[in-house]
Amino acid sequence: GDSVTQMEGPVTLSEEAFLTINCTYTATGYPSLFWYVQYPGEGLQLLLKATKADDKGSNKGFEATYRKETTSFHLEKGSVQVSDSAVYFCALSARGGSEKLVFGKGTKLTVNP
Amino acid sequence: SAVISQKPSRDICQRGTSLTIQCQVDSQVTMMFWYRQQPGQSLTLIATANQGSEATYESGFVIDKFPISRPNLTFSTLTVSNMSPEDSSIYLCSVATGWDQPQHFGDGTRLSIL
Repeated sequence: GDSVTQMEGPVTLSEEAFLTINCTYTATGYPSLFWYVQYPGEGLQLLLKATKADDKGSNKGFEATYRKETTSFHLEKGSVQVSDSAVYFCALSARGGSEKLVFGKGTKLTVNP
Repeated sequence: SAVISQKPSRDICQRGTSLTIQCQVDSQVTMMFWYRQQPGQSLTLIATANQGSEATYESGFVIDKFPISRPNLTFSTLTVSNMSPEDSSIYLCSVATGWDQPQHFGDGTRLSIL
């Protein structure tokens, strides 16, 4: 079945450091890919998405590119802030998101001032 | 995006009891889902809530344990029945406003079973 493998955490960075969180997937067909973020004590927020190969999703300084050849969707940010401290989940769905989401295990990011 | 309200936000329950969680959306949505997030873990889909018909359950989840209702396009409930400590989790409702639209999540219900 479909699966998502995500970089294990936790990840600890200093403010203004560069962030990469690796995500690879296994799926039949052409899934849509997502990054969700969960701040402490809250639900999940959609951070960005990509629905086809070579699409780049971006939001709040975060970016991820759908790479079909490497089945990857790595999350990057050029300069992290303390407020970016959260758990980040990579996920896929067979359709644009209106079908079951399959999640990675999540990566906890802590950014220190 | 749609505003999703989940109630209660948290609860502490005794084993053997049942709790019903409500999910209310401020606009009509095509799809509604219920997920479980066990402590320190990722999210797992429990079921898809179908409007006017029985929910579609994922492997490992059964209707007797997690009955779901969806009477209209803006509201759904999930009941966790005959609870045990292993049911201590965060339960999250999500919605998709249309086909091929991403899912958005409520803030979740944090459930602890003593």
